[in-house]
Amino acid sequence: DQQVKQNSPSLSVQEGRISILNCDYTNSMFDYFLWYKKYPAEGPTFLISISSIKDKNEDGRFTVFLNKSAKHLSLHIVPSQPGDSAVYFCAASGGSNSGAGSYQLTFGKGTKLSVIP
Amino acid sequence: KAGVTQTPRYLIKTRGQQVTLSCSPISGHRSVSWYQQTPGQGLQFLFEYFSETQRNKGNFPGRFSGRQFSNSRSEMNVSTLELGDSALYLCASSLFPAGSTDTQYFGPGTRLTVL
Repeated sequence: DQQVKQNSPSLSVQEGRISILNCDYTNSMFDYFLWYKKYPAEGPTFLISISSIKDKNEDGRFTVFLNKSAKHLSLHIVPSQPGDSAVYFCAASGGSNSGAGSYQLTFGKGTKLSVIP
Repeated sequence: KAGVTQTPRYLIKTRGQQVTLSCSPISGHRSVSWYQQTPGQGLQFLFEYFSETQRNKGNFPGRFSGRQFSNSRSEMNVSTLELGDSALYLCASSLFPAGSTDTQYFGPGTRLTVL
């Protein structure tokens, strides 16, 4: 049972435009969400996170939106640059109040973003 | 500050052998988590160690085991290798236990190929 889903395996965007990557989750106990970027032959690199007490977090060109009622989060990249081309993973965790076994990060399967010059 | 390091970076083994992978966390980090990445399954959690104690274990067979030393370095062992164990094994470290609002930082991974 996949608790974190990234339904789009790939996304192509023109340079300078907005990239929107989506992520859905099913476990209502998740209360902390992260986005990681991964280049081939490298480990994932942390991008941005959001706690469930917020609905938006911004860091430079990256903004994450959280809609708890819909169990949905999205990552916006504006403007998109060719160097943003990578696989993006959404991850979630249950935090300290969710009982044993919830401390691990649960990852989606990733979305491959291609930014076309 | 040095990042998470993993050794070796690449490994080729044959079925039935065993393998040990090593992870050195960021200095001061006490939590080490291991993940398996395969093309079809994405990143799957293997286990997490914090202060030499295993806190969590994912849904993997007992052939996968690990340990953490007093200096927070961690090793992962896979016995009786199967073809399906071919994957990228990633290690991540954090200051506090995984799942808190602390960020996990990943190493470059060990690419294991089982022939």
